[in-house]
Amino acid sequence: QKEVEQNSGPLSVPEGAIASLNCTYSDRGSQSFFWYRQYSGKSPELIMFIYSNGDKEDGRFTAQLNKASQYVSLLIRDSQPSDSATYLCAVIPYNNNDMRFGAGTRLTVKP
Amino acid sequence: GAGVSQSPSNKVTEKGKDVELRCDPISGHTALYWYRQSLGQGLEFLIYFQGNSAPDKSGLPSDRFSAERTGGSVSTLTIQRTQQEDSAVYLCASSLNRALGWETQYFGPGTRLLVL
Repeated sequence: QKEVEQNSGPLSVPEGAIASLNCTYSDRGSQSFFWYRQYSGKSPELIMFIYSNGDKEDGRFTAQLNKASQYVSLLIRDSQPSDSATYLCAVIPYNNNDMRFGAGTRLTVKP
Repeated sequence: GAGVSQSPSNKVTEKGKDVELRCDPISGHTALYWYRQSLGQGLEFLIYFQGNSAPDKSGLPSDRFSAERTGGSVSTLTIQRTQQEDSAVYLCASSLNRALGWETQYFGPGTRLLVL
């Protein structure tokens, strides 16, 4: 079992729709969770981080965390073609010594 | 201010040669991180520095890999006797410090290494 798992996609949604990206993790002691966006050929950029159970909203983005289910998700409302990218889920394990990434979900938003 | 810079941006080398990759962090950032991203894969954490110290080197893939940081700024990642499986994008990141680290982590543009 991979430590951080994401559906590789591609996930395709129409412009204006809600895109839902999911991530599960194996280290139950993990405390910090991050979502990065990576455009093709570019480096990752941080979108959201979340530490507590529940929802955290920032503009069109909402991160959701459920530690009991070891599940974190990212919702993108009113998706735009410019949101088309690979979204990486990252988790800080209990030892806080490194950051572990999923393989990423490729999102395509069609005009 | 300037972001994280890396050089070279691209490197093509022959199997068995040594390569050195350089990272210049954001000014004032004391923590520095190296990652590797193979084609179609997520990022693989390699090593981090707090100042000049790297407390945990267990993430380095093999003993052919080494990293150092001097003066609390520039870091170099050295791969000796390169193999084709070393081909990847090597990303460097920096953050204010380890305690505040992860949410202030910014990535450089990466070095694309191809081993023939």
